[in-house]
Amino acid sequence: RKEVEQDPGPFNVPEGATVAFNCTYSNSASQSFFWYRQDCRKEPKLLMSVYSSGNEDGRFTAQLNRASQYISLLIRDSKLSDSATYLCVVNSGGFKTIFGAGTRLFVKA
Amino acid sequence: DTAVSQTPKYLVTQMGNDKSIKCEQNLGHDTMYWYKQDSKKFLKIMFSYNNKELIINETVPNRFSPKSPDKAHLNLHINSLELGDSAVYFCASSQNPPYEQYFGPGTRLTVT
Repeated sequence: RKEVEQDPGPFNVPEGATVAFNCTYSNSASQSFFWYRQDCRKEPKLLMSVYSSGNEDGRFTAQLNRASQYISLLIRDSKLSDSATYLCVVNSGGFKTIFGAGTRLFVKA
Repeated sequence: DTAVSQTPKYLVTQMGNDKSIKCEQNLGHDTMYWYKQDSKKFLKIMFSYNNKELIINETVPNRFSPKSPDKAHLNLHINSLELGDSAVYFCASSQNPPYEQYFGPGTRLTVT
């Protein structure tokens, strides 16, 4: 089992749609969780950290379920500019951070 | 104001050559990283330095040698380049403990 697994993509959605990405992690001792966004031929950029209580930033909502070792990202009212690869990232303590393989999102007009 | 910078951005070289990639961060972070992103877009950590000390050394051929002259710099030297080394190499930095990481723009290495 991979340490961090994400939904296989790509997701093709129309503008205005709501889309959800899931991510599972294998190490129950994992402590920090993040969602990053990577545009084509660009570097990954932090989208949001994921907190135990769940957190929201505009159209984006992230949730963490420690019991199920599961993280999610919800994007509401999708925009064309949301088209990118979304990376689930988990830190298991110490300095090692594991990136998921990413889920590709295409938002179409 | 570039937070994490890498040079060069593109590197095309022949098999067997030796090359270096440089990275600098002006964020005052204590930890720096090198990642490799291959053609399948999977991002994998190679090395991590904390306050100039090597703390993560993944299963990487010993042809790859990182060097951190100070907290703000982490360079990567690659000896005897092979076709399989072709990839995008990203440098990143973070504050301690490993909070969110900030990435450089990447170095696209092509070995012919």
